[in-house]
Amino acid sequence: LAKTTQPISMDSYEGQEVNITCSHNNIATNDYITWYQQFPSQGPRFIIQGYKTKVTNEVASLFIPADRKSSTLSLPRVSLSDTAVYYCLVGTQISGGYNKLIFGAGTRLAVHP
Amino acid sequence: NAGVTQTPKFQVLKTGQSMTLQCAQDMNHNSMYWYRQDPGMGLRLIYYSASEGTTDKGEVPNGYNVSRLNKREFSLRLESAAPSQTSVYFCASSVRLAGDTGELFFGEGSRLTVL
Repeated sequence: LAKTTQPISMDSYEGQEVNITCSHNNIATNDYITWYQQFPSQGPRFIIQGYKTKVTNEVASLFIPADRKSSTLSLPRVSLSDTAVYYCLVGTQISGGYNKLIFGAGTRLAVHP
Repeated sequence: NAGVTQTPKFQVLKTGQSMTLQCAQDMNHNSMYWYRQDPGMGLRLIYYSASEGTTDKGEVPNGYNVSRLNKREFSLRLESAAPSQTSVYFCASSVRLAGDTGELFFGEGSRLTVL
């Protein structure tokens, strides 16, 4: 499994764009890159997933360069409610249905007024 | 739909006691998982069930057993609780389809303290 490295913590202010970068130098050909968000006392929640280039949904964008050795989660115009831990995961859904994913320590994002 | 429901939400045990954490999902998902999360850490996979009738070990299975009772329910049992098993336990489920994102849907967690 590809190991991921992301900053332990980040600080931002309301209305700013936040970019969290994750490095995954050993990513395999079949691996996808997935980001989850976790609020205190809750289970993680899926944010976005991508394989290459750029993916955008209603809450975030995911930028993946051609070599796929890193990825950047972009949160536009953050608010206080975006304060959470963000996990970058690299893995694949095995054909048997097992999501072979490793959750690291994540990045603690604090959004200030 | 309730999604993924875990019971109990809180439990305090003494060393050596046994207990079962219950998990049920109403999304007709094939795969279910049990994770534990220690303070300030990420989640670690204990056991998973790719489909009804099958279970397999994850990263940290020692001290735990599981039962996939039916498609909806996946329970986690601690036969002889130890203080090292103090943690928050999360149950999750996912659809198993080719090309699917494999999105995991998590429950609210069960906070277990072993004294």
